[in-house]
Amino acid sequence: AAGVIQSPRHLIKEKRETATLKCYPIPRHDTVYWYQQGPGQDPQFLISFYEKMQSDKGSIPDRFSAQQFSDYHSELNMSSLELGDSALYFCASSWGGGNTIYFGEGSWLTVV
Amino acid sequence: KQEVTQIPAALSVPEGENLVLNCSFTDSAIYNLQWFRQDPGKGLTSLLLIQSSQREQTSGRLNASLDKSSGRSTLYIAASQPGDSATYLCAVRLGGGGNKLTFGTGTQLKVEL
Repeated sequence: AAGVIQSPRHLIKEKRETATLKCYPIPRHDTVYWYQQGPGQDPQFLISFYEKMQSDKGSIPDRFSAQQFSDYHSELNMSSLELGDSALYFCASSWGGGNTIYFGEGSWLTVV
Repeated sequence: KQEVTQIPAALSVPEGENLVLNCSFTDSAIYNLQWFRQDPGKGLTSLLLIQSSQREQTSGRLNASLDKSSGRSTLYIAASQPGDSATYLCAVRLGGGGNKLTFGTGTQLKVEL
């Protein structure tokens, strides 16, 4: 079965640079979520979209923005990167908000 | 603010043992609770989803129970195997229409031969 696809899987950026992460949800899933997991920490909710509209917002820095496109893929844009942004970024998707949420393999971001 | 705690933080058991992982949450007004496993450096694999109206869910050797009023869930793993070694995370979704999952701190399980 198709899973949530994230790209790139790994990227290294310097401080103050910009990074863009992409997410392709499971086909026919209408809700996309973004989470950030720092080293040794549990995942923290950043933002979610339902039918291409932002549906919920968590602890997402103002330097970050995200959107969901007409084909339901989503992108997380991170600007003015800081060392503390180094983390594993997960995208997840579900059909409706109350059903099982499926996570991708994550994108490792290292800021140097 | 919802807080989710998992006990124990780490667990090491011999192969074949039955075990129980615990998850507690402070706000009982949840919509559902989901159990995940995470292998080192990998994504989260969904194991079981329990809606707030349900008391338990089963999948193979896994059984998850939910006692919403007391703010507790348990994940029971029968006949543990070395392949079960991973970090197990519970996550709750509050009612009220929000999409946010609040994760517990995880239980790191090691099943030894």
